[in-house]
Amino acid sequence: SAVISQKPSRDICQRGTSLTIQCQVDSQVTMMFWYRQQPGQSLTLIATANQGSEATYESGFVIDKFPISRPNLTFSTLTVSNMSPEDSSIYLCSVEAGSLGYTFGSGTRLTVV
Amino acid sequence: GENVEQHPSTLSVQEGDSAVIKCTYSDSASNYFPWYKQELGKRPQLIIDIRSNVGEKKDQRIAVTLNKTAKHFSLHITETQPEDSAVYFCAARAGGTSYGKLTFGQGTILTVHP
Repeated sequence: SAVISQKPSRDICQRGTSLTIQCQVDSQVTMMFWYRQQPGQSLTLIATANQGSEATYESGFVIDKFPISRPNLTFSTLTVSNMSPEDSSIYLCSVEAGSLGYTFGSGTRLTVV
Repeated sequence: GENVEQHPSTLSVQEGDSAVIKCTYSDSASNYFPWYKQELGKRPQLIIDIRSNVGEKKDQRIAVTLNKTAKHFSLHITETQPEDSAVYFCAARAGGTSYGKLTFGQGTILTVHP
């Protein structure tokens, strides 16, 4: 199985600032996924992070707004840049845990004021 | 890309009744279909999944069926209990060049009344 430690669990940020979210996995994984879950909504994939290459972003998400790092096979960060109230959401990372399917971090609840 | 439609958006049942949630997908190359339960303020938790080479899978009170021809899959919960109340999401994993990505349905709020 794969256990993900995600931090921070929550934060309240001023508009115009940036927040970096970290995910640490207890095993090596090829792909890490970053999702956004707006209040009362489903999960939307932001990007897929592969070690050693640029992240692949989904339609509607751009690297300048959501830069991602993937320095090794157990760690990734997502930065939410130049934040506005519309960025208030829960952000989750996810990995594929082999036969156990995809598992999620505990999420980061972001409020932008 | 993949599109997953889920319905109903809300489902209310009496304790002991069965609940069925249905999803359709668009990409015939999708090969893996998980179901997640998300309680308020918590992360999604995998409750059951099915792969494209299987038509049905059961785990105690929960079962999932897959119809590849029609591109739809369903979650069945029998003998529902108040603890089953949560939001349920279906998802489909893309194949081909988009391999690995999960696309989620819109979610179903299930309420089980004692």
